[in-house]
Amino acid sequence: EDKVVQSPLSLVVHEGDTVTLNCSYEVTNFRSLLWYKQEKKAPTFLFMLTSSGIEKKSGRLSSILDKKELFSILNITATQTGDSAIYLCAVEVDGNKLVFGAGTILRVKS
Amino acid sequence: DGGITQSPKYLFRKEGQNVTLSCEQNLNHDAMYWYRQDPGQGLRLIYYSQIVNDFQKGDIAEGYSVSREKKESFPLTVTSAQKNPTAFYLCASRAGQGAYEQYFGPGTRLTVT
Repeated sequence: EDKVVQSPLSLVVHEGDTVTLNCSYEVTNFRSLLWYKQEKKAPTFLFMLTSSGIEKKSGRLSSILDKKELFSILNITATQTGDSAIYLCAVEVDGNKLVFGAGTILRVKS
Repeated sequence: DGGITQSPKYLFRKEGQNVTLSCEQNLNHDAMYWYRQDPGQGLRLIYYSQIVNDFQKGDIAEGYSVSREKKESFPLTVTSAQKNPTAFYLCASRAGQGAYEQYFGPGTRLTVT
Protein backbone atom coordinates (compact mmCIF):
# COMPACT_ATOMS: atom_id res chain seq x y z
CA GLU A 1 0.00 0.00 0.00
CA ASP A 2 1.36 3.43 -0.95
CA LYS A 3 2.12 5.56 2.09
CA VAL A 4 3.25 9.16 2.74
CA VAL A 5 4.19 10.20 6.27
CA GLN A 6 4.75 13.78 7.37
CA SER A 7 6.40 15.00 10.53
CA PRO A 8 5.94 16.73 12.81
CA LEU A 9 2.14 16.67 12.86
CA SER A 10 2.12 20.16 14.32
CA LEU A 11 4.62 22.84 15.17
CA VAL A 12 4.53 26.22 16.93
CA VAL A 13 7.36 28.68 16.31
CA HIS A 14 8.03 32.39 16.73
CA GLU A 15 8.32 34.86 13.90
CA GLY A 16 11.82 34.84 12.46
CA ASP A 17 12.48 31.18 13.27
CA THR A 18 13.50 28.68 10.59
CA VAL A 19 11.43 25.50 10.27
CA THR A 20 12.00 22.20 8.52
CA LEU A 21 9.05 20.00 7.61
CA ASN A 22 9.62 16.37 6.72
CA CYS A 23 7.95 14.01 4.27
CA SER A 24 8.87 10.36 3.82
CA TYR A 25 7.24 7.96 1.41
CA GLU A 26 6.89 4.33 0.44
CA VAL A 27 5.22 3.92 -2.93
CA THR A 28 5.45 1.38 -5.69
CA ASN A 29 5.85 3.69 -8.69
CA PHE A 30 7.16 7.13 -7.80
CA ARG A 31 6.70 9.86 -10.39
CA SER A 32 7.01 13.13 -8.46
CA LEU A 33 6.59 14.71 -5.04
CA LEU A 34 4.55 17.84 -4.48
CA TRP A 35 4.20 20.31 -1.61
CA TYR A 36 1.03 22.31 -1.02
CA LYS A 37 0.07 25.03 1.48
CA GLN A 38 -3.50 25.01 2.83
CA GLU A 39 -4.62 28.10 4.73
CA LYS A 40 -8.38 28.03 4.87
CA LYS A 41 -9.85 26.11 1.99
CA ALA A 42 -8.09 25.13 -1.24
CA PRO A 43 -4.51 23.87 -1.06
CA THR A 44 -2.18 26.01 -3.16
CA PHE A 45 0.76 24.55 -5.01
CA LEU A 46 4.29 25.24 -3.75
CA PHE A 47 6.75 22.87 -5.40
CA MET A 48 6.99 19.81 -7.59
CA LEU A 49 10.15 17.69 -7.25
CA THR A 50 11.17 14.90 -9.56
CA SER A 51 14.96 14.71 -9.30
CA SER A 52 17.13 14.01 -6.28
CA GLY A 53 19.40 16.66 -4.86
CA ILE A 54 18.10 19.63 -6.83
CA GLU A 55 16.81 22.34 -4.52
CA LYS A 56 13.72 24.25 -5.55
CA LYS A 57 13.41 27.73 -4.09
CA SER A 58 10.72 30.35 -3.93
CA GLY A 59 11.43 33.33 -1.69
CA ARG A 60 11.86 32.07 1.88
CA LEU A 61 10.69 28.57 1.00
CA SER A 62 12.86 25.81 -0.38
CA SER A 63 12.54 22.08 -0.86
CA ILE A 64 14.70 19.15 -1.80
CA LEU A 65 14.10 15.50 -2.61
CA ASP A 66 16.20 12.44 -1.77
CA LYS A 67 15.00 9.53 -3.91
CA LYS A 68 17.52 7.12 -2.40
CA GLU A 69 16.35 7.69 1.18
CA LEU A 70 12.73 8.33 0.06
CA PHE A 71 12.12 11.67 1.70
CA SER A 72 11.75 15.36 1.08
CA ILE A 73 12.09 18.42 3.29
CA LEU A 74 10.43 21.80 3.08
CA ASN A 75 12.35 24.66 4.68
CA ILE A 76 10.90 28.02 5.62
CA THR A 77 13.35 30.68 6.77
CA ALA A 78 12.53 33.89 8.65
CA THR A 79 8.98 32.68 9.30
CA GLN A 80 6.09 35.16 9.33
CA THR A 81 2.59 34.86 10.77
CA GLY A 82 1.33 34.51 7.20
CA ASP A 83 3.19 31.20 6.96
CA SER A 84 0.73 29.69 9.45
CA ALA A 85 -1.06 26.93 7.53
CA ILE A 86 -1.26 23.20 6.95
CA TYR A 87 1.57 22.01 4.72
CA LEU A 88 0.67 18.96 2.66
CA CYS A 89 3.09 16.59 0.98
CA ALA A 90 1.83 14.38 -1.85
CA VAL A 91 3.48 11.77 -4.05
CA GLU A 92 2.32 11.16 -7.60
CA VAL A 93 2.14 7.49 -8.47
CA ASP A 94 1.18 5.58 -11.59
CA GLY A 95 -2.33 6.17 -12.81
CA ASN A 96 -2.06 9.91 -12.46
CA LYS A 97 -2.94 9.76 -8.74
CA LEU A 98 -1.64 11.70 -5.74
CA VAL A 99 -1.16 10.04 -2.35
CA PHE A 100 -1.23 12.64 0.42
CA GLY A 101 0.32 12.69 3.85
CA ALA A 102 -1.68 13.85 6.87
CA GLY A 103 -0.11 17.29 6.78
CA THR A 104 1.91 19.41 9.20
CA ILE A 105 0.05 22.20 11.01
CA LEU A 106 2.39 25.16 11.38
CA ARG A 107 1.56 28.06 13.65
CA VAL A 108 3.82 31.09 13.68
CA LYS A 109 3.40 33.34 16.73
CA SER A 110 4.19 37.04 16.58
CA ASP B 1 -10.91 34.16 -14.71
CA GLY B 2 -9.81 30.55 -15.05
CA GLY B 3 -10.31 28.22 -12.15
CA ILE B 4 -12.26 25.54 -10.36
CA THR B 5 -15.55 26.26 -8.65
CA GLN B 6 -17.33 24.10 -6.14
CA SER B 7 -20.80 24.63 -4.87
CA PRO B 8 -22.26 24.99 -2.40
CA LYS B 9 -19.64 26.09 0.15
CA TYR B 10 -21.61 24.55 3.03
CA LEU B 11 -24.20 21.81 2.81
CA PHE B 12 -26.39 20.29 5.48
CA ARG B 13 -28.34 17.08 4.99
CA LYS B 14 -30.28 14.58 7.02
CA GLU B 15 -29.04 11.03 7.28
CA GLY B 16 -30.44 8.78 4.56
CA GLN B 17 -30.53 11.46 1.86
CA ASN B 18 -28.34 11.44 -1.22
CA VAL B 19 -26.56 14.71 -1.97
CA THR B 20 -24.65 15.91 -5.05
CA LEU B 21 -21.64 18.21 -4.85
CA SER B 22 -20.81 20.29 -7.89
CA CYS B 23 -17.35 20.81 -9.40
CA GLU B 24 -16.76 22.87 -12.55
CA GLN B 25 -13.49 23.92 -14.17
CA ASN B 26 -12.79 26.23 -17.10
CA LEU B 27 -9.08 25.43 -17.32
CA ASN B 28 -9.62 22.94 -20.17
CA HIS B 29 -8.03 20.27 -17.97
CA ASP B 30 -8.44 16.62 -18.92
CA ALA B 31 -8.19 15.06 -15.47
CA MET B 32 -10.41 15.76 -12.47
CA TYR B 33 -10.35 14.42 -8.92
CA TRP B 34 -12.44 14.24 -5.77
CA TYR B 35 -10.85 14.12 -2.33
CA ARG B 36 -12.19 13.95 1.15
CA GLN B 37 -10.38 15.68 4.03
CA ASP B 38 -10.94 14.75 7.67
CA PRO B 39 -9.03 16.30 10.58
CA GLY B 40 -5.61 14.72 11.03
CA GLN B 41 -5.96 12.48 7.97
CA GLY B 42 -4.84 14.61 5.03
CA LEU B 43 -6.60 14.17 1.69
CA ARG B 44 -7.95 10.82 0.57
CA LEU B 45 -8.86 10.11 -3.05
CA ILE B 46 -12.50 9.18 -3.71
CA TYR B 47 -12.75 9.08 -7.52
CA TYR B 48 -10.83 10.45 -10.45
CA SER B 49 -11.40 10.87 -14.16
CA GLN B 50 -8.71 11.22 -16.79
CA ILE B 51 -11.00 11.83 -19.76
CA VAL B 52 -14.67 12.46 -20.47
CA ASN B 53 -16.97 9.44 -19.98
CA ASP B 54 -14.33 7.58 -17.99
CA PHE B 55 -13.57 7.48 -14.26
CA GLN B 56 -11.81 5.24 -11.74
CA LYS B 57 -12.31 4.49 -8.07
CA GLY B 58 -9.85 5.95 -5.64
CA ASP B 59 -9.00 4.62 -2.20
CA ILE B 60 -12.35 5.33 -0.52
CA ALA B 61 -14.99 5.08 -3.26
CA GLU B 62 -17.58 3.11 -1.29
CA GLY B 63 -20.79 5.10 -0.79
CA TYR B 64 -19.92 7.63 -3.51
CA SER B 65 -20.69 7.92 -7.22
CA VAL B 66 -19.53 10.26 -9.99
CA SER B 67 -20.16 11.08 -13.63
CA ARG B 68 -18.06 12.79 -16.27
CA GLU B 69 -20.36 13.66 -19.16
CA LYS B 70 -18.60 16.94 -19.92
CA LYS B 71 -14.94 17.87 -19.74
CA GLU B 72 -15.59 20.82 -17.44
CA SER B 73 -17.87 19.08 -14.93
CA PHE B 74 -17.30 16.25 -12.43
CA PRO B 75 -20.17 16.04 -9.90
CA LEU B 76 -19.89 13.81 -6.83
CA THR B 77 -22.91 12.13 -5.26
CA VAL B 78 -22.67 11.15 -1.62
CA THR B 79 -25.17 8.34 -1.19
CA SER B 80 -26.94 7.12 1.92
CA ALA B 81 -24.60 4.11 1.83
CA GLN B 82 -21.67 6.27 2.90
CA LYS B 83 -21.31 5.51 6.61
CA ASN B 84 -19.63 8.73 7.73
CA PRO B 85 -20.24 11.43 5.12
CA THR B 86 -19.55 14.53 7.24
CA ALA B 87 -16.27 15.93 5.89
CA PHE B 88 -14.63 18.60 3.78
CA TYR B 89 -14.72 17.68 0.06
CA LEU B 90 -12.16 19.03 -2.37
CA CYS B 91 -12.25 18.84 -6.15
CA ALA B 92 -9.10 19.20 -8.22
CA SER B 93 -8.11 19.21 -11.87
CA ARG B 94 -4.94 18.69 -13.82
CA ALA B 95 -3.89 19.45 -17.38
CA GLY B 96 -2.62 15.97 -18.15
CA GLN B 97 0.13 13.51 -17.46
CA GLY B 98 3.60 14.91 -17.04
CA ALA B 99 4.98 17.71 -14.93
CA TYR B 100 1.69 19.40 -14.07
CA GLU B 101 0.40 19.98 -10.57
CA GLN B 102 -3.22 19.55 -9.49
CA TYR B 103 -5.23 22.73 -8.94
CA PHE B 104 -7.85 22.68 -6.18
CA GLY B 105 -11.28 24.20 -5.82
CA PRO B 106 -12.36 25.99 -2.61
CA GLY B 107 -14.10 22.91 -1.21
CA THR B 108 -17.55 22.01 0.12
CA ARG B 109 -18.11 21.30 3.80
CA LEU B 110 -20.83 18.67 4.12
CA THR B 111 -22.54 18.05 7.44
CA VAL B 112 -24.94 15.13 7.76
CA THR B 113 -27.04 14.81 10.93
